[in-house]
Amino acid sequence: AQTVTQSQPEMSVQEAETVTLSCTYDTSESNYYLFWYKQPPSRQMILVIRQEAYKQQNATENRFSVNFQKAAKSFSLKISDSQLGDTAMYFCAFMKGNAGKSTFGDGTTLTVKP
Amino acid sequence: EAGVAQSPRYKIIEKRQSVAFWCNPISGHATLYWYQQILGQGPKLLIQFQNNGVVDDSQLPKDRFSAERLKGVDSTLKIQPAKLEDSAVYLCASRRRGDYNEQFFGPGTRLTVL
Repeated sequence: AQTVTQSQPEMSVQEAETVTLSCTYDTSESNYYLFWYKQPPSRQMILVIRQEAYKQQNATENRFSVNFQKAAKSFSLKISDSQLGDTAMYFCAFMKGNAGKSTFGDGTTLTVKP
Repeated sequence: EAGVAQSPRYKIIEKRQSVAFWCNPISGHATLYWYQQILGQGPKLLIQFQNNGVVDDSQLPKDRFSAERLKGVDSTLKIQPAKLEDSAVYLCASRRRGDYNEQFFGPGTRLTVL
């Protein structure tokens, strides 16, 4: 079974600064995908960024980027130029290839301060 | 395209009562997930459907929870009888075929068991 660990329950950052959220996972699978989802207060969960495990290049999406260390089973999310709208709970998720079975971490609550 | 629809949005019941939740996934999405999200935790997978077949229900408490996905489209999740510890948000998500594709989440149903 896969496990996903987010060791930072809460974090805060000043507006316009950079913050990094940590995620580690444990799996024996070779074919898998990793995702970061954002869940704003009282709003729906949406995708932030995704990474295929077979790709060495780290994914980027505008102000969001990941540091994927496959050997260390680490998948951190970096948010640059933080904005007030980035305030949310962030979940790291593991998806097994082919079957699409998902495991989520317990999340990190990020607060962006003005 | 229309998003994942869920109803009701909120439900309050007494323990030992029954409750049912409904989910309508995005059109054409073959995979449907039901998650339980307890306050402060990440989503925990209850059941995963591929079309109208069950892919994974290993974490579904089958003595009280049941789910079906008729005709591979809408799905219902039922709890009978409810316990206090079932108080949570129940999330439905759907996904297109293809490992790279992310899950799209509905707004959730917040269940309170008194």
